[in-house]
Amino acid sequence: GENVEQHPSTLSVQEGDSAVIKCTYSDSASNYFPWYKQELGKRPQLIIDIRSNVGEKKDQRIAVTLNKTAKHFSLHITETQPEDSAVYFCAAMDTGGFKTIFGAGTRLFVKA
Amino acid sequence: DTEVTQTPKHLVMGMTNKKSLKCEQHMGHRAMYWYKQKAKKPPELMFVYSYEKLSINESVPSRFSPECPNSSLLNLHLHALQPEDSALYLCASSQDTINQPQHFGDGTRLSIL
Repeated sequence: GENVEQHPSTLSVQEGDSAVIKCTYSDSASNYFPWYKQELGKRPQLIIDIRSNVGEKKDQRIAVTLNKTAKHFSLHITETQPEDSAVYFCAAMDTGGFKTIFGAGTRLFVKA
Repeated sequence: DTEVTQTPKHLVMGMTNKKSLKCEQHMGHRAMYWYKQKAKKPPELMFVYSYEKLSINESVPSRFSPECPNSSLLNLHLHALQPEDSALYLCASSQDTINQPQHFGDGTRLSIL
């Protein structure tokens, strides 16, 4: 079955810097990759997603890139702000499209 | 606004109690999910309902019993839980089950005494 690895587990950046979180997946048939943000004590919220027919997608300060050959996908946050501090989970849908397999999470700290 | 509503927000119960968690969505989604989340861990899938039928049971112990009375409601019945079952229980929904983003509720924080 699908396995998702996520790095780093913790990331600390200065306000205004960029943050990059990287994930790898194992099942080459997976074709949907969402990213969720979870603030302390709150629910996970979808922030961006990408499908396998697209190499990059941007939404304001957030971008996701996908390299299907290498089975890598990454989240890029530019001009980070303190409110970006949260845990970020990458995920991949399994081959059948029924199950979301989450990475272990990255705790992002943005220092003001 | 939270589009997926879960009740109660907090629940403390003893190991012999029976209780239920409730989840409701009015987005017309046809897939609903239960997840268990321990501190500092990702959500862990428990059950998936697709068009009101149980599609996936991730080998969850029988002390957890899901129910989907209609396309908007999802329940999780709890009985004879163990202390290690203490966690945040998240409900989610999606348009259908195939490669769609999930919308999560705020969760029920469950403590087993």
